Amino acid sequence: AQSVAQPEDQVNVAEGNPLTVKCTYSVSGNPYLFWYVQYPNRGLQFLLKYITGDNLVKGSYGFEAEFNKSQTSFHLKKPSALVSDSALYFCAVRDGITSSNTGKLIFGQGTTLQVKP
Amino acid sequence: SQTIHQWPATLVQPVGSPLSLECTVEGTSNPNLYWYRQAAGRGLQLLFYSVGIGQISSEVPQNLSASRPQDRQFILSSKKLLLSDSGFYLCAWSPGTERYEQYFGPGTRLTVT
Repeated sequence: AQSVAQPEDQVNVAEGNPLTVKCTYSVSGNPYLFWYVQYPNRGLQFLLKYITGDNLVKGSYGFEAEFNKSQTSFHLKKPSALVSDSALYFCAVRDGITSSNTGKLIFGQGTTLQVKP
Repeated sequence: SQTIHQWPATLVQPVGSPLSLECTVEGTSNPNLYWYRQAAGRGLQLLFYSVGIGQISSEVPQNLSASRPQDRQFILSSKKLLLSDSGFYLCAWSPGTERYEQYFGPGTRLTVT
């Protein structure tokens, strides 16, 4: 069965410091991995995705994520955090076998990022 | 470019009343459509998805239903709301292949009183 785990409910970072939001996954086929951000009372915004190719994926607002197949992880990173990055972050996965027609995503429970000035 | 709309933005309804939330997508054709519910600002629960007109798949048994009367229109309904139906309802669409992300609407905040 497909699953996604975000082991941290909350991550606290000082502004200007690097940040990492962790995500691990389990799928039966090749994983397609996604990160989204959600600001209060808003819909989710797409940040980046890994489909194939380079393990380091760059996305919106200076975020990047590293796909690690051996560790089944897809951690979100940013070299220098901003206060405005404070939000709820979701990791999501689908595999190319069971979800190829439906496009269904499996979401993690979310990690709240707090960036302190 | 593609745009997804949801309305209303907020809704307060008494227990036992009916519900109708609407989602429309512009700028694409034959999208996959999804309804999610988010409780207490945390995880997303997939409620329904649709790969075509009149094709609805339910993920969670409950007193909600969904319909897709037109290619780019997705409606979430209930005949009688429960207190537990309160939450943030999100509609999303995707181009329909596994390589693509889902794009989310702005959401509807439903409070059942």
